Amino acid sequence: AQSVSQHNHHVILSEAASLELGCNYSYGGTVNLFWYVQYPGQHLQLLLKYFSGDPLVKGIKGFEAEFIKSKFSFNLRKPSVQWSDTAEYFCAVTNTGGFKTIFGAGTRLFVKA
Amino acid sequence: GAGVSQSPSNKVTEKGKDVELRCDPISGHTALYWYRQSLGQGLEFLIYFQGNSAPDKSGLPSDRFSAERTGGSVSTLTIQRTQQEDSAVYLCASSPPTGGSSYNEQFFGPGTRLTVL
Repeated sequence: AQSVSQHNHHVILSEAASLELGCNYSYGGTVNLFWYVQYPGQHLQLLLKYFSGDPLVKGIKGFEAEFIKSKFSFNLRKPSVQWSDTAEYFCAVTNTGGFKTIFGAGTRLFVKA
Repeated sequence: GAGVSQSPSNKVTEKGKDVELRCDPISGHTALYWYRQSLGQGLEFLIYFQGNSAPDKSGLPSDRFSAERTGGSVSTLTIQRTQQEDSAVYLCASSPPTGGSSYNEQFFGPGTRLTVL
């Protein structure tokens, strides 16, 4: 069955700490991968996406993610977090050319000022 | 431009009643999605539309759930004979047509918080 696993449900960091959120997926065929973010009181919005090409993709606000096909992973990273990065982060996968999207359970990040 | 809008923002209903949730996608977006987010859970895919057609209804939890989309625009999610386990936030998202830079990116609405007493 298709699934997306996010390893950490809650993460607490101090400002300037480095961030890595894990995401593994189980999905047959070629995939498109996404990270979405939901800031407190706001809608879900796209952080970054991978369709093809360079497996290291850069998104908004200094975030990046690396697609490792052999590990079925798409981990999200940021070298130095800020208090404003406090939010819930969702990894998602879609089969290439398709529309059905499977989301992970989300990771709540709290950054202490 | 205007984003995805959903109404009502909150709905409290009694067990056994029917409810209708509305989604207005971004103008010109051909794909429309419904998700359910229960407390502490991720987004559960319910259904998606391509135009007015729903190629994938596999996520609808039971036959009490149905959805339609008219004119390639507004969509309504209907839950009949609501149960307490239906309480959740129902999210709608839309995507632009293929070929653009935002292809397959989903633009989300604010959600409808449904509470079944």
